[in-house]
Amino acid sequence: EPEVTQTPSHQVTQMGQEVILRCVPISNHLYFYWYRQILGQKVEFLVSFYNNEISEKSEIFDDQFSVERPDGSNFTLKIRSTKLEDSAMYFCASRATRGWDTGELFFGEGSRLTVL
Amino acid sequence: LAKTTQPISMDSYEGQEVNITCSHNNIATNDYITWYQQFPSQGPRFIIQGYKTKVTNEVASLFIPADRKSSTLSLPRVSLSDTAVYYCLVYKRDDKIIFGKGTRLHILP
Repeated sequence: EPEVTQTPSHQVTQMGQEVILRCVPISNHLYFYWYRQILGQKVEFLVSFYNNEISEKSEIFDDQFSVERPDGSNFTLKIRSTKLEDSAMYFCASRATRGWDTGELFFGEGSRLTVL
Repeated sequence: LAKTTQPISMDSYEGQEVNITCSHNNIATNDYITWYQQFPSQGPRFIIQGYKTKVTNEVASLFIPADRKSSTLSLPRVSLSDTAVYYCLVYKRDDKIIFGKGTRLHILP
């Protein structure tokens, strides 16, 4: 079964450092998302991406965050200068098409970011 | 986006049928309903989606009454491995999926 893969599974970084989280969505999917989940809290939407541009972003997704699809297969989330409150599990998701019956997002296993 | 309300937690026993009800009183005509499951330290996993009436797949059934102000996820004959958080989500076509707090389902032996 096709799956979304994410790397690294766990990253520890110092506050102020740049972090890049990588995702390989399912190959024929067109819509890509990043979500995050702080330990014990709900899954929060960060950003959606389609046709090589951001289609929507949340208040959390400020100037410290950026996304890129550099080579047609990878989808990356960059945090420019990490803060302690960026510590969370980051989930990448992809969706095949848009339409009424496309509530199905496929999530990766997540990348746990710990900022010290 | 329509606000959803579901129980914070539920307990049930192995072999029982579990029904989790979600209310979404201000659901709009062009809103759809979907349910996700999440195990600890894993990404959410799609279970089922629908617009009205009943939908069934190999995992669960989704019951949506005519007024669509609520929906019920039904899990037949649960096992210990069904212990997870279950999210009821209302979304618009082509829109992002926003998660609420979900229902923590704990299956007891």
